[in-house]
Amino acid sequence: AQKVTQAQTEISVVEKEDVTLDCVYETRDTTYYLFWYKQPPSGELVFLIRRNSFDEQNEISGRYSWNFQKSTSSFNFTITASQVVDSAVYFCALSGDILTGGGNKLTFGTGTQLKVEL
Amino acid sequence: DGGITQSPKYLFRKEGQNVTLSCEQNLNHDAMYWYRQDPGQGLRLIYYSQIVNDFQKGDIAEGYSVSREKKESFPLTVTSAQKNPTAFYLCASTGQYNEQFFGPGTRLTVL
Repeated sequence: AQKVTQAQTEISVVEKEDVTLDCVYETRDTTYYLFWYKQPPSGELVFLIRRNSFDEQNEISGRYSWNFQKSTSSFNFTITASQVVDSAVYFCALSGDILTGGGNKLTFGTGTQLKVEL
Repeated sequence: DGGITQSPKYLFRKEGQNVTLSCEQNLNHDAMYWYRQDPGQGLRLIYYSQIVNDFQKGDIAEGYSVSREKKESFPLTVTSAQKNPTAFYLCASTGQYNEQFFGPGTRLTVL
């Protein structure tokens, strides 16, 4: 069975601080995919990034960066110089191998509520 | 613009009533999904469909039903058998690289 753990329920930071959201996953698949989504107060989930299990390179997109480490089964998300608009719930998710049919379903973590204050 | 639409945004249901939530996409995606989100929790999969006229149960299908008569549409019916239907319902479809794109959601409240 697949499992995603986001141990941080809520994080509060002051604007311009850096913040890291943790994600730990469990899977028996050798091929799998990891995702991060943002859920602002409006409720709609916004896709941020997809990473496959064979690509351990870190990725940076503007103020966002992701650190994927297979050795620790973690896929952490860092926001640099946080802004009030970053306030949202962030979800980490995992799917299995597309070719073996496991890629149809996403397993979500319980989310981390990020509050960025002035 | 391409995307996923859900209607209504808010829905109120009396106990014992069936209600249907609409989900439409114009992204030409084959696979579509329904999730339920309860306060402070992650998303749980209700049903999914990989092609027209075919669908599979997710983790919490009891009390729900779906149909997939058209590629663009995947309506969800919350039946009276669902004992605790008050929740936020999200519809999604799968893109080229298995990323799921979500609609704006429907908040269902049982009166």
